[in-house]
Amino acid sequence: EPEVTQTPSHQVTQMGQEVILRCVPISNHLYFYWYRQILGQKVEFLVSFYNNEISEKSEIFDDQFSVERPDGSNFTLKIRSTKLEDSAMYFCASSGSPGRNTEAFFGQGTRLTVV
Amino acid sequence: RKEVEQDPGPFNVPEGATVAFNCTYSNSASQSFFWYRQDCRKEPKLLMSVYSSGNEDGRFTAQLNRASQYISLLIRDSKLSDSATYLCVVNPTGGYNKLIFGAGTRLAVHP
Repeated sequence: EPEVTQTPSHQVTQMGQEVILRCVPISNHLYFYWYRQILGQKVEFLVSFYNNEISEKSEIFDDQFSVERPDGSNFTLKIRSTKLEDSAMYFCASSGSPGRNTEAFFGQGTRLTVV
Repeated sequence: RKEVEQDPGPFNVPEGATVAFNCTYSNSASQSFFWYRQDCRKEPKLLMSVYSSGNEDGRFTAQLNRASQYISLLIRDSKLSDSATYLCVVNPTGGYNKLIFGAGTRLAVHP
């Protein structure tokens, strides 16, 4: 079964450093997303990406964050100047097409710990 | 009002029990509705989509009431493996599959 893969599974970084979280979406999918989940809280939408540009972003996704699809397979989330409150599980997701009841497949997540 | 609201639980039930979860959403124009399952520290996985006419998948039945902005999930004959957090998820109108998650309802099934 095709799956979304994320690396690394766990990243520890010092406050103020930049991190890049990597994702390989399902190969024939067209829509890509990042979500985050702070420990004990709900899953929150960050950004959606289609046709090499951001389709929609949430209030959380400010200038500290950026996304990129550097090649045909990878999809990355860059967090600049990390803060303690950026510590969370970050999930990448992909889907084949927009519209009703289209399943979004989630990766296993990257746990980011900012110290 | 929260966009998607769920009873956090936990629901502690014995094996074989029937359990029901409820969810309300605030955006009346929402287009798509789902139940996801999340095991501890794992990714959300789609359990089932929710259709206006109601739908069933084995032991699981989902219902949608658009007038009341209410979604439900019924689990019959609970198994130990059903223990997880159940997430009510809504796709509001206009988004490229942007999903709005509820905080989840925790279910613990015991022998």
